[in-house]
This record gives sequence, C-alpha cells and structure tokens, in this order.
Amino acid sequence: SQTIHQWPATLVQPVGSPLSLECTVEGTSNPNLYWYRQAAGRGLQLLFYSVGIGQISSEVPQNLSASRPQDRQFILSSKKLLLSDSGFYLCAWLGHLEAFFGQGTRLTVV
Amino acid sequence: AQSVTQPDIHITVSEGASLELRCNYSYGATPYLFWYVQSPGQGLQLLLKYFSGDTLVQGIKGFEAEFKRSQASVNLRKPSVHWSDAAEDFCAVKAAGNKLTFGGGTRVLVKP
Repeated sequence: SQTIHQWPATLVQPVGSPLSLECTVEGTSNPNLYWYRQAAGRGLQLLFYSVGIGQISSEVPQNLSASRPQDRQFILSSKKLLLSDSGFYLCAWLGHLEAFFGQGTRLTVV
Repeated sequence: AQSVTQPDIHITVSEGASLELRCNYSYGATPYLFWYVQSPGQGLQLLLKYFSGDTLVQGIKGFEAEFKRSQASVNLRKPSVHWSDAAEDFCAVKAAGNKLTFGGGTRVLVKP
C-alpha cells in the first residue's frame, strides 16, 4: 500500500535560517508529488508539484523552493526563512483516484 | 482555472443534529471531487470521492455527498453529528492535469 513519510513533525526556526523539509513515498513509482501550506485559519494553498525527477512547477511566487532529486523524494527548502513562512506544510501524493497525505510539519518561524 | 469555494468558514451544530457543508467548484467539465477531514494538528483523511455515476456518494463515518452538476456543487451531509465530527472539512477538485485544488475549509464545532 502507498504511504507518505514527512518529517520533522514540528520545527521552530529563527528568521533568516535555512529550511529543509523532506517527503518520501513508498508503494508507488513515478508519483505526482505536491507541497501544500496551510496558514493559521486558512485553507490549503498549493505551493509546488512535481510529475517526475527534476521537474518542479511553482504555483505561487514565494520565498520557498522545491526539488525532486529521486523518484520518491520531494524536498521543500528555503535559504532564509521569513516570519510569514510559518504554517502547516503537507506533502501529498496524487494517484489517479485519490490523494494521500503525510502527517504534516508545523513550522514556526520566530 | 479551476477553483473551489466553501462559503461557510465556521458551522456550529448540536450533537445529534444534521450537518450540511457547502462546496461549489468552477470548471468546464465534471471534475473528480473529494471531501477530506482534518483533525487538529493532523494530516488529511479522505471522507469520500465522486468521479461519475450515481450522484449520491456514501463515505466513511456516516458522511455522504450529493453532486449537482447544474449547480456545480458537491455538498457534504451527515444525518446525525457526533462530538468526534468536530474538525475542519475540505472540499477538493481534481480536473484535467495534475493539480488538486482545495477550498478554504469549513470548521465544524459540535455543541453537547
């Protein structure tokens, strides 16, 4: 069965520090992978999606970047975090009939 | 571009009462439609999905949804709410291409 691993679960980082969130998928190959952000009291905003290794589509201009170094690995990064980067980040795998989500990372930038 | 609207940010309902959450989408054809639930601090769990066929779809935890093409809506319903249904519910649309677009969510509060 398909599973998504996302870590860390929580993270507190100072403004200006770098960020790296990792997501890995098991039980499938060549998945479509997604990063969403959920700010406090708001819905899920699609940040990036990837249909294959090295292929990244950005949905909104922002301080973040994404990379797909391996088929089942999707990484969300920042060189210098801003206060506005705080939120709940979710990685997802979109199959043909359903999306599967990781447990999320709560990022607090202080 | 596809979009999803959940007009109600919050809904408060008494335990045992019925619940209906609204969702409207904007897309030229019939997309794949999903409802997800998110408990506090957790990821998303799929409640139900609609692709084609019968417009009344049964999901988990006693939820159902009715797809109305003429209104471009897929409202989520539950006949009798339990305290454990207090959560945030999201409607989502997958249209042509690879994007899954979410509505803003509706937070459900359950009164004893």
